[in-house]
Amino acid sequence: GAVVSQHPSWVICKSGTSVKIECRSLDFQATTMFWYRQFPKQSLMLMATSNEGSKATYEQGVEKDKFLINHASLTLSTLTVTSAHPEDSSFYICSAREGAYNSPLHFGNGTRLTVT
Amino acid sequence: GENVEQHPSTLSVQEGDSAVIKCTYSDSASNYFPWYKQELGKGPQLIIDIRSNVGEKKDQRIAVTLNKTAKHFSLHITETQPEDSAVYFCAASRTDKLIFGTGTRLQVFP
Repeated sequence: GAVVSQHPSWVICKSGTSVKIECRSLDFQATTMFWYRQFPKQSLMLMATSNEGSKATYEQGVEKDKFLINHASLTLSTLTVTSAHPEDSSFYICSAREGAYNSPLHFGNGTRLTVT
Repeated sequence: GENVEQHPSTLSVQEGDSAVIKCTYSDSASNYFPWYKQELGKGPQLIIDIRSNVGEKKDQRIAVTLNKTAKHFSLHITETQPEDSAVYFCAASRTDKLIFGTGTRLQVFP
């Protein structure tokens, strides 16, 4: 089945530093990837849609200069949290679509970010 | 935009019993309805999905039903097992974006 790999699984960083999270589709090509954020015991909130070779589309309220998304190839998207602050601490999850729109969406195992 | 409501927020059942989780959606144009299972510290795993041209779909102990008129869909788990314990999310979409429900924490007691 379709596998989405996310790295790192957890990271601790100091305030003011930047952190990069990678999302890879291992056995399929993904023209579209999605980044979600999840707070404890809450649902998944879509942050942005990442399209290969073009700029990401951000959801309302998500700062594009703070959460930089790059989708340079059909199998890799990255999310960089810039100048991280404690309030950015969260569980970040990427997902990738296996085929055309409305085909199954597969998720990575998430990255637990803690900003101290 | 689409809004998805999910009930109940928590559900406890005895092993072997059935569990039912219900979701309602607001956008009548939504046509794809997946269900995800999320275990602690992991990403959501797709367990079953249904499209708007189908009323019911079954995969072993898991089934999903869809009522387009009422705009609601349900997840049914039969013969529950302790390893079914997790948080379950429903979702709906008509475009590229999935809108998730608020989640149901299912606990199956042995």
